Amino acid sequence: EAGVVQSPRYKIIEKKQPVAFWCNPISGHNTLYWYRQNLGQGPELLIRYENEEAVDDSQLPKDRFSAERLKGVDSTLKIQPAELGDSAVYLCASSLGQGHGYTFGSGTRLTVV
Amino acid sequence: TQLLEQSPQFLSIQEGENLTVYCNSSSVFSSLQWYRQEPGEGPVLLVTVVTGGEVKKLKRLTFQFGDARKDSSLHITAAQPGDTGLYLCAGSQNTNAGKSTFGDGTTLTVKP
Repeated sequence: EAGVVQSPRYKIIEKKQPVAFWCNPISGHNTLYWYRQNLGQGPELLIRYENEEAVDDSQLPKDRFSAERLKGVDSTLKIQPAELGDSAVYLCASSLGQGHGYTFGSGTRLTVV
Repeated sequence: TQLLEQSPQFLSIQEGENLTVYCNSSSVFSSLQWYRQEPGEGPVLLVTVVTGGEVKKLKRLTFQFGDARKDSSLHITAAQPGDTGLYLCAGSQNTNAGKSTFGDGTTLTVKP
């Protein structure tokens, strides 16, 4: 069974440019998460989806970040415009739901220069 | 202020030694997970504990959930170089059961 697939693995962009990340969760996992992990820290939640509905986006910087999960399967996370402080690893995870652990993808390492 | 405090932040030991890392909070969790993360990869789930006082074993790894469900420990017996990685704990609370909050992890290095 394929795990959580993320692309691209690495992305280097100049500040003020847009960037998008893509995630394909495990089949049958209705819950999808986007986390951001800064160097030396644990992951921090950006947004959680239950099917196609964003049920927790309180930590998403909505002035520049947006996300969507059309049809409740794949998801994209976008930053526009990117800032230097956005450099981090962006992790996607999926889960069967409450009480279940997460399966993470390998992440996208974003560097903003 | 971190909801989950992990200690130590870094640990470097020789192969064959035993070690314990800790995950502490002042808050109660309905469940707690431990993950291991290797460089360039996402965290991989090791175990979920849900009952106060629960002990789970996974080969040489022993996980314990505190009686009050506020803390947890991970003990590794006879560590091997393959155990090297970042160990993260994550907790879920009843008030937001679908969300796990992560600690900042313990970076373990096991030298051959």
